Amino acid sequence: TQLLEQSPQFLSIQEGENLTVYCNSSSVFSSLQWYRQEPGEGPVLLVTVVTGGEVKKLKRLTFQFGDARKDSSLHITAAQPGDTGLYLCAGVRNQGGKLIFGQGTELSVKP
Amino acid sequence: NAGVTQTPKFQVLKTGQSMTLQCAQDMNHEYMSWYRQDPGMGLRLIHYSVGAGITDQGEVPNGYNVSRSTTEDFPLRLLSAAPSQTSVYFCASSRDGSSYNSPLHFGNGTRLTVT
Repeated sequence: TQLLEQSPQFLSIQEGENLTVYCNSSSVFSSLQWYRQEPGEGPVLLVTVVTGGEVKKLKRLTFQFGDARKDSSLHITAAQPGDTGLYLCAGVRNQGGKLIFGQGTELSVKP
Repeated sequence: NAGVTQTPKFQVLKTGQSMTLQCAQDMNHEYMSWYRQDPGMGLRLIHYSVGAGITDQGEVPNGYNVSRSTTEDFPLRLLSAAPSQTSVYFCASSRDGSSYNSPLHFGNGTRLTVT
């Protein structure tokens, strides 16, 4: 059983569409991170959210941490082919705890 | 600026063979870790180290050994490879292991196939 469940696992959309990726858990996390991974490379950190209800924006990407700190979402506006990749959420349950990763969402944006 | 360097990039082993995956970082990070990535399972922590001379087990340590004799290097050893160890392995480092203040920097991975 995955502690952090991401959905959907696969997403194929056309350029210009909007999309949302979800990261859900029954556990409370002290912080949650989103990574993006391209083929043949390691994950790269996009954002860290810490406060319940927190919203962070990174250009066309909007990240939200749930009020209860059990879930998070990543929304991409007007997706572009350059957004293609594997998106991973990862959380820490308590101070000093290790990072736990979700299984990832494979996004493909077609021109 | 090299960051985290992993070698080799690809490796094929026969069941029972041993090998060492190398990982080096040039950022003077205290925390280093090894993950394996399998389809549909995300990244799972194998072993980690909070500083030279200190190592600890992660979520899936069986079949793997590590050591940390210097701050820069954190090799992962497979003593007797098994097909279940076919995976992509990532080394990652951070300043102090606190995920909020010091995010993880990943290498580009080693793709290992055990036949």
